[in-house]
Amino acid sequence: EAGVVQSPRYKIIEKKQPVAFWCNPISGHNTLYWYLQNLGQGPELLIRYENEEAVDDSQLPKDRFSAERLKGVDSTLKIQPAELGDSAVYLCASSPRTSGRGDTQYFGPGTRLTVL
Amino acid sequence: SQQGEEDPQALSIQEGENATMNCSYKTSINNLQWYRQNSGRGLVHLILIRSNEREKHSGRLRVTLDTSKKSSSLLITASRAADTASYFCATGGAGGTSYGKLTFGQGTILTVHP
Repeated sequence: EAGVVQSPRYKIIEKKQPVAFWCNPISGHNTLYWYLQNLGQGPELLIRYENEEAVDDSQLPKDRFSAERLKGVDSTLKIQPAELGDSAVYLCASSPRTSGRGDTQYFGPGTRLTVL
Repeated sequence: SQQGEEDPQALSIQEGENATMNCSYKTSINNLQWYRQNSGRGLVHLILIRSNEREKHSGRLRVTLDTSKKSSSLLITASRAADTASYFCATGGAGGTSYGKLTFGQGTILTVHP
């Protein structure tokens, strides 16, 4: 069974440029998460989807960040415009059931973003 | 925001020794999970313990949970060089808007010397 796929693995951009990250969750997993991980820190949730619905986006900086999960499968996270402080690793994860019953989350390898 | 505080921040041991990492949290939880992250990689789930459980084992891993003290510990017995990684505890929210949400601690960096 394929794991969570993310692309690109690395991205270097100039500040004020837009950037997009893509995630394909494990087949059949209803719930998809985007996390931000700063160096030396644990992941912090940006947004959680259950199927197509964003059920928790309270931590997503909506002035510059946006996300979508069309058809309830893969997802895209976008930053426009990027700032220096956005440099971090962006992790995608998925889990098999909705309603958050304590399921294990399966993580992708992440996208390391560097904003110059 | 991160709920869990992990202790120690870094741990260095010899192969064959046991490693113990602790996690404390602040609010009520549904479950607590431990994850491992190798350098430059994603997180891998190790073990989940529910709020009504006190101890759980999986291979060389032993997790305890004390909800009265809002703390958990992860014990890795007979450590190996391959156990070198960062270890994170994550708490699953108990209700309201936090239900289903995982909140991660800052992690413990474990180094096992061969």
